[in-house]
Amino acid sequence: EPEVTQTPSHQVTQMGQEVILRCVPISNHLYFYWYRQILGQKVEFLVSFYNNEISEKSEIFDDQFSVERPDGSNFTLKIRSTKLEDSAMYFCASSVFKGGGRATDTQYFGPGTRLTVL
Amino acid sequence: AQSVSQHNHHVILSEAASLELGCNYSYGGTVNLFWYVQYPGQHLQLLLKYFSGDPLVKGIKGFEAEFIKSKFSFNLRKPSVQWSDTAEYFCAVILRGSQGNLIFGKGTKLSVKP
Repeated sequence: EPEVTQTPSHQVTQMGQEVILRCVPISNHLYFYWYRQILGQKVEFLVSFYNNEISEKSEIFDDQFSVERPDGSNFTLKIRSTKLEDSAMYFCASSVFKGGGRATDTQYFGPGTRLTVL
Repeated sequence: AQSVSQHNHHVILSEAASLELGCNYSYGGTVNLFWYVQYPGQHLQLLLKYFSGDPLVKGIKGFEAEFIKSKFSFNLRKPSVQWSDTAEYFCAVILRGSQGNLIFGKGTKLSVKP
């Protein structure tokens, strides 16, 4: 069964450094998402992406964040200058369509990247 | 703002006990509802979902959930848990007509004692 994959599984970085988290969505999926989960808190939506542009973003997704689909398979999340509070588990997800009203809207999640900012 | 509440932070049960995890959402419009499970060291997996029709939804591994619109609830149930059900369970909603992002509850950690 196809899966969403994410690399690296764990990233440690110094405050102020740039990080790029990588995701390979399921190949026939069209919608891509990033979520994050700060330790002990709920999973929060960051951004959705379709047709090479952002569909929606949350207030968390400020100018320090950017997303890109650099080729036909990868979907990346870049944090330009990391802060301590960016430490979290970052999940990528993908779906065929969006909206949640059909089986094809189901979002499939990757295993996550644990980001630790020191 | 729309939100999802899961009542229990940590539930501890013995094997064969029955399980019910509460989930309530705050949104007056139409929603689609999901339960995801995260086993230790693994990624979020879809357990079951409700789009429309029969409000009693059956998922994988013997889980089911009932959508009660009047109570804005979507509680997860299993008649007899197993040690392998030890995991964290997340309730989530998508607001119909939105861009499709999931709104998650805080999760309930289930520990099943053998």
